[in-house]
Amino acid sequence: EPEVTQTPSHQVTQMGQEVILRCVPISNHLYFYWYRQILGQKVEFLVSFYNNEISEKSEIFDDQFSVERPDGSNFTLKIRSTKLEDSAMYFCASTSPGSQGTQYFGPGTRLLVL
Amino acid sequence: SQKIEQNSEALNIQEGKTATLTCNYTNYSPAYLQWYRQDPGRGPVFLLLIRENEKEKRKERLKVTFDTTLKQSLFHITASQPADSATYLCALAPQGSWGKLQFGAGTQVVVTP
Repeated sequence: EPEVTQTPSHQVTQMGQEVILRCVPISNHLYFYWYRQILGQKVEFLVSFYNNEISEKSEIFDDQFSVERPDGSNFTLKIRSTKLEDSAMYFCASTSPGSQGTQYFGPGTRLLVL
Repeated sequence: SQKIEQNSEALNIQEGKTATLTCNYTNYSPAYLQWYRQDPGRGPVFLLLIRENEKEKRKERLKVTFDTTLKQSLFHITASQPADSATYLCALAPQGSWGKLQFGAGTQVVVTP
């Protein structure tokens, strides 16, 4: 069964450094998302992406964040200058047209900012 | 403001019994509501979607009801098994933003043999 994959599974970085989190969505999906989950808290929407542009973003998704689909398979989330409060699990998700919003999530990247 | 509320207390039940979880929401007019399962350190896994015009949906041992008047969904796991132990998340999308899923905090279910 096809699944969303994410790399790395864990990332430790110093405050102020840039990180790139990578995702490979399910191959025939056209809508892509990033969510984050701070330890012990809710899963929070960050951004949605369709047709090579951002469809929606939350207040969390400020100028420090960017997303890109550099080729036909990868979908990346870049955090330009990490802060301590960016420490969280980051989940990528994808969905196909007509799925009525059912999203398929990857296993997540645990980001720790020191 | 929009809110999705789930029981924050863990639900401890014996194997074989039915677990019932509640999701209440305010200031949404959802076209549908979804339930996901999340295991520790893992991503949410889709379980069921129920549309606003559906009262009940079933999948194997899972049943979901949706009452748009009460603004509530109930999620039932029948004949529960220890493998059902996980956190169950309710999710909605604001009208016109069907991809922007918003999650409740989840209810942890612990099924003991």
